[in-house]
Amino acid sequence: TQLLEQSPQFLSIQEGENLTVYCNSSSVFSSLQWYRQEPGEGPVLLVTVVTGGEVKKLKRLTFQFGDARKDSSLHITAAQPGDTGLYLCAGRGQAGTALIFGKGTTLSVSS
Amino acid sequence: NAGVTQTPKFQVLKTGQSMTLQCAQDMNHEYMSWYRQDPGMGLRLIHYSVGAGITDQGEVPNGYNVSRSTTEDFPLRLLSAAPSQTSVYFCASSSGAGGGSPLHFGNGTRLTVT
Repeated sequence: TQLLEQSPQFLSIQEGENLTVYCNSSSVFSSLQWYRQEPGEGPVLLVTVVTGGEVKKLKRLTFQFGDARKDSSLHITAAQPGDTGLYLCAGRGQAGTALIFGKGTTLSVSS
Repeated sequence: NAGVTQTPKFQVLKTGQSMTLQCAQDMNHEYMSWYRQDPGMGLRLIHYSVGAGITDQGEVPNGYNVSRSTTEDFPLRLLSAAPSQTSVYFCASSSGAGGGSPLHFGNGTRLTVT
């Protein structure tokens, strides 16, 4: 069974601080996605990474896929209250079709 | 486009009752799936379908049935509800089953079983 471990589970920071969320596994994934979920809504895709070592930037968010395609990180620079939400990583296995999710990181940014 | 539409938004059942959670998508996506989300547990896959007439079990399929008679619809049936099925249920679809195909989620059905 492929598992994705996310850390930290909860993060409460002040506006302007930087943070990093980690997503780790002992399994290799063909691709890894990051989603953000707000209360009362479904998750929304932020980014997909497919190549080991790949780095993608989305404004103040930087996503990295590990060289061995077993882990990923999400770094937010100068966090804002609008970044508050649940961040989920999700991976597809080498041969599987199902998307496996981590347990999520709840981020709270206060002004 | 409406995207993925789930109904109802809220539902309360008594133990032993049955019900169907509806899911419809208008994006002509072949792949559809059902997840449940519980506090501290993330999203867990219940059942999925790679096309009309084809379904398969996910991580937590017990107590749930699905069918896929059309590309657009993927209903989830609870035959005899149990308190352990109290959760928020999300339906999702994507254009493909592999690679980097993103999932498009509905806004969820919050189910309480008493």
